[in-house]
Amino acid sequence: DTAVSQTPKYLVTQMGNDKSIKCEQNLGHDTMYWYKQDSKKFLKIMFSYNNKELIINETVPNRFSPKSPDKAHLNLHINSLELGDSAVYFCASSFRQGVPYEQYFGPGTRLTVT
Amino acid sequence: GENVEQHPSTLSVQEGDSAVIKCTYSDSASNYFPWYKQELGKRPQLIIDIRSNVGEKKDQRIAVTLNKTAKHFSLHITETQPEDSAVYFCAASLKNNDMRFGAGTRLTVKP
Repeated sequence: DTAVSQTPKYLVTQMGNDKSIKCEQNLGHDTMYWYKQDSKKFLKIMFSYNNKELIINETVPNRFSPKSPDKAHLNLHINSLELGDSAVYFCASSFRQGVPYEQYFGPGTRLTVT
Repeated sequence: GENVEQHPSTLSVQEGDSAVIKCTYSDSASNYFPWYKQELGKRPQLIIDIRSNVGEKKDQRIAVTLNKTAKHFSLHITETQPEDSAVYFCAASLKNNDMRFGAGTRLTVKP
């Protein structure tokens, strides 16, 4: 069984459109994350949710809105897509029980904005 | 916030040689230091990690060392093989699992 899954794997869309990426984990973790990996491979944290509560919200344009319906799911909605949003977006999850733990990454969603 | 610097950005070694990647971090409160390997087109995967109460950890050909005073930690890969070729990321994490990654090192092992 896949531990952390994301859909879709590839997303090609035009500037100005709105799109969503979905993430699910079946590891029983209580914390989930969204990362953006740009063309230079830099991994930058965007958001983190713990038990549906937002705990990390980096300097990300407010066109990006995460939503966590339950602790196993964390979705990312992006409004008014721009060329600079093209990247690979990774979802991750981990335990969070007072000490940091390994983060398990999903397979990534490659977003291309034309 | 935490800032992690990683060097070198690219590293090319001959098969069988050792490879060393170094990272520094800025926040002395960071207490967890994982290393991730990312193969082309794949997800980052943990290869080894170390906590701040340990100075060194080894797992077969891979070892990590941590110098808390200097805020340095390093990844050592011995007897490198072509399948070790990938991008390696160091990271430093605060207590709340706010993890910051280095910029990555592209390791190429030539057969």
